[in-house]
Amino acid sequence: NAGVMQNPRHLVRRRGQEARLRCSPMKGHSHVYWYRQLPEEGLKFMVYLQKENIIDESGMPKERFSAEFPKEGPSILRIQQVVRGDSAAYFCASSTGQGVFHYGYTFGSGTRLTVV
Amino acid sequence: AQTVTQSQPEMSVQEAETVTLSCTYDTSESDYYLFWYKQPPSRQMILVIRQEAYKQQNATENRFSVNFQKAAKSFSLKISDSQLGDAAMYFCAYRSANYGQNFVFGPGTRLSVLP
Repeated sequence: NAGVMQNPRHLVRRRGQEARLRCSPMKGHSHVYWYRQLPEEGLKFMVYLQKENIIDESGMPKERFSAEFPKEGPSILRIQQVVRGDSAAYFCASSTGQGVFHYGYTFGSGTRLTVV
Repeated sequence: AQTVTQSQPEMSVQEAETVTLSCTYDTSESDYYLFWYKQPPSRQMILVIRQEAYKQQNATENRFSVNFQKAAKSFSLKISDSQLGDAAMYFCAYRSANYGQNFVFGPGTRLSVLP
């Protein structure tokens, strides 16, 4: 079991470019969550997805950010027209999503996005 | 909305000694879970210990234990017999048992272990 796989591990983009971050959940997990960690801060929730559905995007900025989790393939977090303030580590986590009996999930190692 | 506070940005402990990291949280819910995660320089988020709010007994995992005070909304982590490998950022996290499944993290405490 390879765990939650995120790629790339490091991503450098110039201001105005697009960033695409990928997350492959653990085998058997159908729920994916994205978090952002600004330097010297804790993780902040962005979006929660199940296959082909966005369940909760309350933490997602309204503009330039989008996420998807297609029927086939990894979950993608897309940031359009990146700005310096988007520089952060982006973490993905996955779970089986089984209600109150499942209270933890598995994190990937994150993608560090640097906007220059 | 729930909030998690960690009042100690940095802590240090001598190898083999004991250290306690503080965490307080604010919620109006009665049913929830609390966690401590460790983040070493590799950035990997590693679950250290977890506690269900309805359980009065404090959770323990080998050298790690918590002091859960529900009325005070306090959830501290005690690390006994500290090892060099314990050096990392430690995050306290809250998760509702009923509404959504996302975590609310505190700002973290950086723990240094001195040889």
